[in-house]
Amino acid sequence: QSVLTQPPSVSGAPGQRVTISCTGSNSNIGAGYDVLWYQQVPGTAPRLLIFANTNRPSGVPDRFSGSKSATSASLAITGLQAEDEADYYCQSFDTNLSGSWVFGAGTKVTVL
Amino acid sequence: QLQLQESGPGLVKTSETLSLTCAVSGASVSRKNNYWGWVRQTPGRGLEWIGHIYVSGSTYSNPSLESRVTISLDTSRNHFSLRLTSVTAADTALYYCVRLLDPPDQNGMDVWGQGTAVTVSS
Repeated sequence: QSVLTQPPSVSGAPGQRVTISCTGSNSNIGAGYDVLWYQQVPGTAPRLLIFANTNRPSGVPDRFSGSKSATSASLAITGLQAEDEADYYCQSFDTNLSGSWVFGAGTKVTVL
Repeated sequence: QLQLQESGPGLVKTSETLSLTCAVSGASVSRKNNYWGWVRQTPGRGLEWIGHIYVSGSTYSNPSLESRVTISLDTSRNHFSLRLTSVTAADTALYYCVRLLDPPDQNGMDVWGQGTAVTVSS
């Protein structure tokens, strides 16, 4: 059971907007630690999608956006495309248990 | 272009030591502002941060694994390594090596190797 909670799955039709939540606590996101997001297409390594809560690395389409508020964060995908079907993971730092970087359990995005 | 490639045995016996190496191409492991680390993935536990190392030699490890983990840099061979002692079946996973940019808690893991599968069995 991860300290960062994500919905197991979300789905949407092509062109729609979907959001993925990442709920933490006062020992991680709420303590001011940044949130990062990764995309993992089945059979491949994860890819950094969002860093420092809201920033996209070079090459990541602007259809992907991140936000953070209080003890949670969200990833939004607008104009959903078939190639966006993948698993998405949030990540932050947690101060409990002597401090550790932690990942959410992941959210499967299905394009209908 | 920076590329990472993991290598090591795919099968390790219970209670023995898992040793993996990550070959770095396209950049020097001695480059400032770069950290080098390891992450593993299992169907049951998902993604798990193992630890990372800076060129200074400073290391940061997951507290749950810290007593068994050693991460080291070999600047002459431009690679870095992971040693995990006293392995059990719970250490069976897909192991990734990663690059992190300073500050790592903001910039995250921006380059990943393709991953190498390790099975622990008696």
